Amino acid sequence: AQSVTQPDIHITVSEGASLELRCNYSYGATPYLFWYVQSPGQGLQLLLKYFSGDTLVQGIKGFEAEFKRSQSSFNLRKPSVHWSDAAEYFCAVGSNTGNQFYFGTGTSLTVIP
Amino acid sequence: SQTIHQWPATLVQPVGSPLSLECTVEGTSNPNLYWYRQAAGRGLQLLFYSVGIGQISSEVPQNLSASRPQDRQFILSSKKLLLSDSGFYLCAWSFRVRGDYGYTFGSGTRLTVV
Repeated sequence: AQSVTQPDIHITVSEGASLELRCNYSYGATPYLFWYVQSPGQGLQLLLKYFSGDTLVQGIKGFEAEFKRSQSSFNLRKPSVHWSDAAEYFCAVGSNTGNQFYFGTGTSLTVIP
Repeated sequence: SQTIHQWPATLVQPVGSPLSLECTVEGTSNPNLYWYRQAAGRGLQLLFYSVGIGQISSEVPQNLSASRPQDRQFILSSKKLLLSDSGFYLCAWSFRVRGDYGYTFGSGTRLTVV
């Protein structure tokens, strides 16, 4: 069965520190992978996505993610976190038909000064 | 360009009252449409999805229903709201065009049932 796991429910980092949010997926075919960010009371905004090709993808707001097929992972990274990055982050995997989309339960990020 | 509109942004309704949330998409045809609910402190729960007019798939049995009267319109309804229906409701649509693939969300509706 298809699923997405985000092992960290909540993460706290200091402003300026590096960040890595973990995402593991289970999918029977080549996955289409996504990371979204949700600010409080807002909808979800796409940060980046991976379909094929270079396994390191760049996104908006200085984020990047690396697809590792052997580990079934798609971890999100940022070298230096800003206070405005505090939000909820969701990893997702989509089917190649575009009909099914599976989300992780999210990781809440707190940034301290 | 494609855009998705969802309204209202916030809604406070008494228990037992009806509900109608609307979502429309512009700039595309025959989109796949989705309704999600996000309860406080929890992830996204897929409620309904639709691949065409009049075609609705329900992911979980509950007090809600969905309809798609037009190609780019998706409505979430309830005849009688329960306290447990409170949450943040998100509409989304997906596209797949020439190798690109996306999944875009509306801005959400905060529903509080009192």
